[in-house]
Amino acid sequence: GDSVTQMEGPVTLSEEAFLTINCTYTATGYPSLFWYVQYPGEGLQLLLKATKADDKGSNKGFEATYRKETTSFHLEKGSVQVSDSAVYFCALSGVSSASKIIFGSGTRLSIRP
Amino acid sequence: EAGVTQSPTHLIKTRGQQATLRCSPISGHTSVYWYQQALGLGLQFLLWYDEGEERNRGNFPPRFSGRQFPNYSSELNVNALELEDSALYLCASSFRDAKAFFGQGTRLTVV
Repeated sequence: GDSVTQMEGPVTLSEEAFLTINCTYTATGYPSLFWYVQYPGEGLQLLLKATKADDKGSNKGFEATYRKETTSFHLEKGSVQVSDSAVYFCALSGVSSASKIIFGSGTRLSIRP
Repeated sequence: EAGVTQSPTHLIKTRGQQATLRCSPISGHTSVYWYQQALGLGLQFLLWYDEGEERNRGNFPPRFSGRQFPNYSSELNVNALELEDSALYLCASSFRDAKAFFGQGTRLTVV
């Protein structure tokens, strides 16, 4: 079945470091791919998305490119801030299961000042 | 435009009781999903309702149930509560396979 695999956390970085959180997926067809973020004490928020191969989603300095050849959607940011500390979820939807959203297990990111 | 709203924000129940969680989707959205996020675990899919019908459910026991009303709002019921049911319960809504929007969640504590 469809699935999403994220790198295991937690990830701890210093402020201004480069961030990569890996995400790969398994799906039939052409899913839409998402990154969601959950800040401490808050609900999930959509961070960015891409709906077709080679699309790049971007928001708040974060980027992710839909790579069909490697079935990946890695999240990157060039210079992280303390305020980026949160849990990040990779997700896919819009495939054969129709409307069901499949999440990865989440990666906790902590940024040191 | 109002987002997905969930109520209550926090709920404390004792073991064996029943809990009812509510979700109002964004206007125009016909699909409602319920997820459980237990401490230390990722999101676990619970239930998916679309157009008033249950379309799919995750690997949870039958004491987790719910329904979707004609106005597309939804309830999640958890019977015979157990300590390990303590978690954040998230509701999300979407229109067909468009992106989903999440509510703030209901934090259920079973003591």
